[in-house]
Amino acid sequence: AQRVTQPEKLLSVFKGAPVELKCNYSYSGSPELFWYVQYSRQRLQLLLRHISRESIKGFTADLNKGETSFHLKKPFAQEEDSAMYYCALFNQAGTALIFGKGTTLSVSS
Amino acid sequence: DAGVTQSPTHLIKTRGQHVTLRCSPISGHKSVSWYQQVLGQGPQFIFQYYEKEERGRGNFPDRFSARQFPNYSSELNVNALLLGDSALYLCASSLAGTDFSPLHFGNGTRLTVT
Repeated sequence: AQRVTQPEKLLSVFKGAPVELKCNYSYSGSPELFWYVQYSRQRLQLLLRHISRESIKGFTADLNKGETSFHLKKPFAQEEDSAMYYCALFNQAGTALIFGKGTTLSVSS
Repeated sequence: DAGVTQSPTHLIKTRGQHVTLRCSPISGHKSVSWYQQVLGQGPQFIFQYYEKEERGRGNFPDRFSARQFPNYSSELNVNALLLGDSALYLCASSLAGTDFSPLHFGNGTRLTVT
């Protein structure tokens, strides 16, 4: 079964501290993985796609097929990073995104 | 560039009633998907349409239906509303149906069933 697990409901860090939002997946084959972010009162928006290997707003995510993980990392958290983060993968047919339950990141000064 | 637009933004209905939610995709996008998000959960897939044809359906009862129009806009219909249908309904658009291209989401319609 295809599944995305985000084990932390809430992650609280201080400004300037490193951040790692965990994401584990279950998928047969090569997954298409994404991180989406939802800032307060804004729409859900794409943050990262694993295939592009970009760094967006200082965030990076590396696909680890051995550990079936796609953790989101940032070396120095900023207060404006406070938001809800969702990890997601496409189903085999490419027709539906399967989301994790999300992790709330709270960055305080 | 207008993003995905959804209407209405909020809706209150009574159990047993019917509701229609509307979505306009980003210009040039031919695929529209619908997701349900209940509090504390990630979005759950309901339908995907591409070129007016249903390409995918999630694990939702037959009370849920959708369609896509020639201009690629879409409607989600829910019949015989239950209290458990109260949720945020998200519409997303993408360039094509099965090319794994990223989804772009609207702001959602908040449905409350009393």
